[in-house]
Amino acid sequence: DTGVSQDPRHKITKRGQNVTFRCDPISEHNRLYWYRQTLGQGPEFLTYFQNEAQLEKSRLLSDRFSAERPKGSFSTLEIQRTEQGDSAMYLCASSSGTSYSPLHFGNGTRLTVT
Amino acid sequence: DQQVKQNSPSLSVQEGRISILNCDYTNSMFDYFLWYKKYPAEGPTFLISISSIKDKNEDGRFTVFLNKSAKHLSLHIVPSQPGDSAVYFCAAFTGNQFYFGTGTSLTVIP
Repeated sequence: DTGVSQDPRHKITKRGQNVTFRCDPISEHNRLYWYRQTLGQGPEFLTYFQNEAQLEKSRLLSDRFSAERPKGSFSTLEIQRTEQGDSAMYLCASSSGTSYSPLHFGNGTRLTVT
Repeated sequence: DQQVKQNSPSLSVQEGRISILNCDYTNSMFDYFLWYKKYPAEGPTFLISISSIKDKNEDGRFTVFLNKSAKHLSLHIVPSQPGDSAVYFCAAFTGNQFYFGTGTSLTVIP
């Protein structure tokens, strides 16, 4: 069990550029979640996958955001035409999906939009 | 609307004493509750959880209490240690989503 891995750890980009983040969940976990966290706030739900199917998306997830999980393994989160308000920590988490199973988080990707 | 609330942004406790972190929720459909610990520049780490059919769960120095009638959750750390200094988030689960509070920053003073 190597834990949830996220790449990159930090990303600085200029407004208007596209960025893509990657998440590798714990290998036997079939549920994968993306959260966003800003200073002084708790993690806010963005989207959730059961295997390769994206089952739920938050209204926070504008049409500039897209997430994929091909083959039900790793996931990517892409933000197009970034805005300064997108600056945040993007957290990925996975769980086994069985009853009462906790989320296990990666260390996040810190995005700064200048 | 914030369905999970942590009303104390910070807490300071002397080493060896008890730390009590509190959490309130509004949604009666929540059936699983969790506490996470977060150090700077790291993701949240799962600490302890409790299902809605229980009112207490212990794991070493950590105990979580659930009062469903009051929609209140608390985490007790006894004895507190300097390494416990971190931000603590409570979370609640229903359906397919986990909802998080805004966190309480715990400082354990040696």
